[in-house]
Order: sequence, then C-alpha cells, then structure tokens
Amino acid sequence: DTGVSQNPRHKITKRGQNVTFRCDPISEHNRLYWYRQTLGQGPEFLTYFQNEAQLEKSRLLSDRFSAERPKGSFSTLEIQRTEQGDSAMYLCASSDGLAGGQETQYFGPGTRLLVL
Amino acid sequence: AQTVTQSQPEMSVQEAETVTLSCTYDTSENNYYLFWYKQPPSRQMILVIRQEAYKQQNATENRFSVNFQKAAKSFSLKISDSQLGDTAMYFCALRTGNQFYFGTGTSLTVIP
Repeated sequence: DTGVSQNPRHKITKRGQNVTFRCDPISEHNRLYWYRQTLGQGPEFLTYFQNEAQLEKSRLLSDRFSAERPKGSFSTLEIQRTEQGDSAMYLCASSDGLAGGQETQYFGPGTRLLVL
Repeated sequence: AQTVTQSQPEMSVQEAETVTLSCTYDTSENNYYLFWYKQPPSRQMILVIRQEAYKQQNATENRFSVNFQKAAKSFSLKISDSQLGDTAMYFCALRTGNQFYFGTGTSLTVIP
C-alpha cells in the first residue's frame, strides 16, 4: 500500500465553478478526515467519516461544501460555486480508528486549489 | 472552544544541537490528546509524537521528546541531535472527541 492519495494535486478554476476532489485512503482504514490549510496556517478540520457515515462537520463547512464516502472507501469533497476565499490546500487523512490517542492519522499530499 | 497557539513562527538550529518548539493550548475537556506533526517541504504531514493528557509521563520517540505541563496547558517539543532532515514545518495539534485542532506551525531550519 502506497499511502493516502489525492487527486488532482492542483486545480485552477474560475470563481463560480464547481470542483470535486478525490481522496483514496489507506485500504482498510475506517476513518477519513478532510482538512483545509491556507498559507501560514495549520490545517483546519472540515469533516470526518467513520466508514461511510459522515459523523462530524465543522462550522467552517458551508452549504457549498459537500463530502461523501460511498461504500466506506474513497471520499470526494465537492465545492459548489467556488469563491476566491476557497483557495487553499485541501488535505485528506485516514486512520485505523484505534481507541483514543493511539489513533494515527496518515495524511495525503493534498490538493491545492486556486480560484481566480 | 479549543485553541492551539505556537508563538514561534520560525526557528533555526545548528546540526547536532538541541532545539525546543513551544506550544500552548486551551480546552475545557478533561479527555484530550496532544500531537506534534512534521510537514517537510513539499511532502506529506507525518506524526512525530503523541501524548495522552491523562498520562503524567512525558512521551519520547528516539530524538524527539515532549515536556507536557498539564496545569500550564503547555506542550513543547524537544529535538535532540538535530539533523538536516528535521528541517520542516512543525504543527502542534490537540484532539478532543473526533476533531483535531492545529496550531499555525513553526518553521524549523537545521543549519549544517
């Protein structure tokens, strides 16, 4: 297994367009997280899946954002009607869901979005 | 609300020397976990070390150790015998429930 992968690695779009990102977690990892990271900041939690169930969503996740994880495998993050403020690195992480602090998140390389 | 503060945006250290990165946090939760992550230039973020808040003993992983002061809500990372490969952005993170909260990071440069 080669780790968490994300596609595309870079995306440039015009304001108002929709974009979709994909995350392929490490196989058999039941937990999947999405984060957003802007320049000079740490990752900000967006949402979290346990298998196919989306269990938590940050207040940062506006109505324009939607995430899915069909069949509990890969996940997609869609942003509708993109705005310039959506420009950021979108990170995905998966974990084996071990109890409490034993859980280790493995991060993907991220998708860098630029909205013009 | 949970917050994580890293007050040192940039630091540098001579190769083979020791450096300490600072982190303070705030949470009203009793059950939480603390982490240090490393993000090398243009590479993926990886876990460096973790600490369970209920454990008094400071965590150690090879050259990396933490100084966890629960009452002061402080969680610093000490890197001993610094190596060129330690050059990276370091993020302190707090986990409560299923959410992780990250600081703004400290950019560490190891000077040959």
